[in-house]
Amino acid sequence: GAVVSQHPSWVICKSGTSVKIECRSLDFQATTMFWYRQFPKQSLMLMATSNEGSKATYEQGVEKDKFLINHASLTLSTLTVTSAHPEDSSFYICSAPPAGGISSEQYFGPGTRLTVT
Amino acid sequence: SQKIEQNSEALNIQEGKTATLTCNYTNYSPAYLQWYRQDPGRGPVFLLLIRENEKEKRKERLKVTFDTTLKQSLFHITASQPADSATYLCALDSTGTYKYIFGTGTRLKVLA
Repeated sequence: GAVVSQHPSWVICKSGTSVKIECRSLDFQATTMFWYRQFPKQSLMLMATSNEGSKATYEQGVEKDKFLINHASLTLSTLTVTSAHPEDSSFYICSAPPAGGISSEQYFGPGTRLTVT
Repeated sequence: SQKIEQNSEALNIQEGKTATLTCNYTNYSPAYLQWYRQDPGRGPVFLLLIRENEKEKRKERLKVTFDTTLKQSLFHITASQPADSATYLCALDSTGTYKYIFGTGTRLKVLA
């Protein structure tokens, strides 16, 4: 199946700093990617939809100025957590559906563990 | 509000038996329902998709049923193996735009 990678796999940062997480589709093009957040023992929560060539759309309750998303190319989306705080510590996961699919199989990255101290 | 319920308690079964996991939902009319496997510290891995007009889907040792009247999906793993031990998530989408809502998952442990 198709592969989605994330970098870094884990990161520790100090409160107040910004962190960038990359999501890449390695062997297919993705005009749309999704960013999720997962807290321990909780479900994945969709944060935003990343659209190549246009602005991201954010789910209700997600601060767009805090979680900056840039879909720079058909294979790369980045999520920047700005002015990170300890409550932003979580597992961030991206996903990318195959082009032309309608809610069919989608491919998830391995996730990025963010710890804010 | 929309709610997806999966058994939060871990399910322990003996190797070789059939594991059955449940996904119930309320206040929702999904057109698509997916099942994923998630290992600790990893992203989910897609297993099966079933559409609202389908009753059952199979893939190798996996079987999914979808009952829109009962608002329930059942996920079966036959001839279970210790390697099947993981957390299994169900996810629902009503729009066809990949905006899935995920359940909290059920942890399955297959005992050798």
